[in-house]
Amino acid sequence: DGGITQSPKYLFRKEGQNVTLSCEQNLNHDAMYWYRQDPGQGLRLIYYSQIVNDFQKGDIAEGYSVSREKKESFPLTVTSAQKNPTAFYLCASSPGPTPGGASIEAFFGQGTRLTVV
Amino acid sequence: GENVEQHPSTLSVQEGDSAVIKCTYSDSASNYFPWYKQELGKRPQLIIDIRSNVGEKKDQRIAVTLNKTAKHFSLHITETQPEDSAVYFCAASLAGIKAAGNKLTFGGGTRVLVKP
Repeated sequence: DGGITQSPKYLFRKEGQNVTLSCEQNLNHDAMYWYRQDPGQGLRLIYYSQIVNDFQKGDIAEGYSVSREKKESFPLTVTSAQKNPTAFYLCASSPGPTPGGASIEAFFGQGTRLTVV
Repeated sequence: GENVEQHPSTLSVQEGDSAVIKCTYSDSASNYFPWYKQELGKRPQLIIDIRSNVGEKKDQRIAVTLNKTAKHFSLHITETQPEDSAVYFCAASLAGIKAAGNKLTFGGGTRVLVKP
């Protein structure tokens, strides 16, 4: 498995702590995304970035923050303001908008399972 | 924004039978519809996708159909095998438009169990 790497695989957080999930890609993709997956549910978009130094909120951004200082990296911080952070977090990347609306296959990392203890 | 509904949430089929999963979307501007397969404990992976200028696409035992007028699309798996057991997600996107961010909006997923 190469391409997009998330770490750590498992993460435990105490109440009131901020934690940062790492996401790195070597696919030269412009766009990167963070999704949250809860048991038995689909993937919900937290934040996305189409280019370095730019990012936008997704559907459930409250309690989360991101940065995009490098093309390869898109870390996600789960802050203490996120009231229910226990979930499986997936990072993805895609080539970004292309002329003619070509397919935008998203490549996913292996995920980070975050648990509040 | 886009909303994608997926049905059924669980599907149990006998090996060799067909499986059909249906999705509806709300934004008529969406033009790209991928399907992802997620095996237990693994990352979602693209299995097939379709663009809005095509009504049907097939790849071996899997096929996807799209009805733009009704705003729904379906995944068909024929001759199911035990290794088809997984969670399947549909998604919709407005691809190729920078302002839209190439965001994928996912359905809630369908857990498929193929019984030998």
